[in-house]
Amino acid sequence: AQTVTQSQPEMSVQEAETVTLSCTYDTSESDYYLFWYKQPPSRQMILVIRQEAYKQQNATENRFSVNFQKAAKSFSLKISDSQLGDAAMYFCAYRGPSSNYQLIWGAGTKLIIKP
Amino acid sequence: EPEVTQTPSHQVTQMGQEVILRCVPISNHLYFYWYRQILGQKVEFLVSFYNNEISEKSEIFDDQFSVERPDGSNFTLKIRSTKLEDSAMYFCASTWDTLVGHTDTQYFGPGTRLTVL
Repeated sequence: AQTVTQSQPEMSVQEAETVTLSCTYDTSESDYYLFWYKQPPSRQMILVIRQEAYKQQNATENRFSVNFQKAAKSFSLKISDSQLGDAAMYFCAYRGPSSNYQLIWGAGTKLIIKP
Repeated sequence: EPEVTQTPSHQVTQMGQEVILRCVPISNHLYFYWYRQILGQKVEFLVSFYNNEISEKSEIFDDQFSVERPDGSNFTLKIRSTKLEDSAMYFCASTWDTLVGHTDTQYFGPGTRLTVL
């Protein structure tokens, strides 16, 4: 069975600095998708970034980028120029190759931004 | 931009009562999901729904739960006899945009906070 592990329950970073959130996963599939979702205090789940396993190039979305290491089954999220609005829970999620597959979630990392 | 909507935003109910949580998935999406998140815990999959039937369900999704797509837009989750441990945030999600062929991303609604007293 697939699993997703986020080993950092909480991270803090100074405003304008860079922070990296870690995520590892376990799967026997060769084709799959990985996601980072942000959950602010409102508790809405917001997609931050996604990565297709068949793509070697790391995904980027403005200040957010990932370091996808397929062999190591690692998928970290880097947030550059951290802003107060980035404070939230961040969840790493895995989805298998088929579109109807469920998302499998990590436990989340609480990101604190220090002004 | 199209979005998933959920109603109500907060539902308070007495233990043993039935509740229906409503979701309107993104138009043209074909796969629908319910997840729940107990406060402070990880998100858990409940059920996926495609072509008017359940395609997959978790161990959590027992006989107390049911899902339905009563018309072309709504997707509902019913809990027949709520328990204290059903208190959680319930998220609806949808995917697969027929207009562009497919999508790998599940889009989430804002959630319904269910409180069982």
